[in-house]
Amino acid sequence: DIQMTQSPSSLSASVGDRVTITCRASQSISSYLNWYQQKPGKAPKLLIYAASSLQSGVPSRFSGSGSGTDFTLTISSLQPEDFATYCCQQSYNTPGFTFGPGTKVDIK
Amino acid sequence: EVQLVESGGGLVQPGGSLRLSCAASGFTFSSYWMHWVRQAPGKGLVWVSRINSDGSSTSYADSVKGRFTISRDNAKNTLYLQMNSLRAEDTAVYYCAREDVSQWLVGYFDYWGQGTLVTVSS
Repeated sequence: DIQMTQSPSSLSASVGDRVTITCRASQSISSYLNWYQQKPGKAPKLLIYAASSLQSGVPSRFSGSGSGTDFTLTISSLQPEDFATYCCQQSYNTPGFTFGPGTKVDIK
Repeated sequence: EVQLVESGGGLVQPGGSLRLSCAASGFTFSSYWMHWVRQAPGKGLVWVSRINSDGSSTSYADSVKGRFTISRDNAKNTLYLQMNSLRAEDTAVYYCAREDVSQWLVGYFDYWGQGTLVTVSS
């Protein structure tokens, strides 16, 4: 099974900061990597699919990069509504669709 | 507007059963593979089960294999999860999610329901 890890597990940032979250797969998954945002008590929301494709309606301050085993989610200028938990998901080794443990972004 | 609405959660004793439903609207339900994903309190997301568009193929996480059954009724635009022999560790919010596929055949979950809480406790 493919294992997904994320770093950091949490971070504190200010509005306007550039934020980078890393996701690593235990084996190569090509570009089969998705990113989700989840706020407390809410369902996850798709941000990025196929490593770097922005989901329709998602602000352009969100971007994704990487391939193989190492991936990055970047928020170019953190906004108040971006304080949430972010998790990655691999869809290479289906049907498992393994999720990463999540990175919580809170207010500094 | 795409909508997924789960129902059927609640409190059940260990060893008991529960059936979750996910009512879909706003899209051609019969064209999409569907999934169940769960999230234990304070924990991360865990994939549970998947069913293909016509219901002929299903898959399960090892943790629920043999106890849970996913099914769908395309005439009723509804996805189901029959959960038997429930354990305390099955306590979680259960989400249904729609799978879409990119032009490069990368699968992703583009729509999610609001979730339904299942609590397994005596």
